[in-house]
Amino acid sequence: SQTIHQWPATLVQPVGSPLSLECTVEGTSNPNLYWYRQAAGRGLQLLFYSVGIGQISSEVPQNLSASRPQDRQFILSSKKLLLSDSGFYLCACGGGEKLFFGSGTQLSVL
Amino acid sequence: GESVGLHLPTLSVQEGDNSIINCAYSNSASDYFIWYKQESGKGPQFIIDIRSNMDKRQGQRVTVLLNKTVKHLSLQIAATQPGDSAVYFCAENYPSNSGYALNFGKGTSLLVTP
Repeated sequence: SQTIHQWPATLVQPVGSPLSLECTVEGTSNPNLYWYRQAAGRGLQLLFYSVGIGQISSEVPQNLSASRPQDRQFILSSKKLLLSDSGFYLCACGGGEKLFFGSGTQLSVL
Repeated sequence: GESVGLHLPTLSVQEGDNSIINCAYSNSASDYFIWYKQESGKGPQFIIDIRSNMDKRQGQRVTVLLNKTVKHLSLQIAATQPGDSAVYFCAENYPSNSGYALNFGKGTSLLVTP
């Protein structure tokens, strides 16, 4: 079964600073990859998904971007963080209907 | 757009009792449903799933019931334990322009008291 690695687990960044969150997947090839954001006490909001290298779809307009430089690598980035970018970011992997999630990154923008 | 929602945002049960978490969905094209459990500070973990051609599926201490007539999904946890305390999400899988999309509900927080 696949394993999803996300890092860092927690991150505190000042407003206006850049962001790079990395997600790598093991145990599968050519997976669909996803970035979700979860505000405190709220549900999961889909930010980006990718069906292959270099293929990124954005679900909501925002201050973030995503890239998939390798088959099992998915990166979430921002050039300048906003306060509203704070949240719990989850990487997910799915080859079919079911999604498997990473352990998440808690981002606090101050 | 169509969405998945939950009837109760929080649920408190006593240890040993059975828990029932409910979910309503509105996309009639959804054909696959999943329940996830999320413990504090962790990613959601798959619990159990059910396809639309079934109305009941059982796992270890968990049962998912699907009522397509009223578009309702429930998760039953038998003999609830302290380790069951978490937020539970239902998700529906429906066909979209990109293939299949997974839509999550807002979640129900389950608190198990001794």
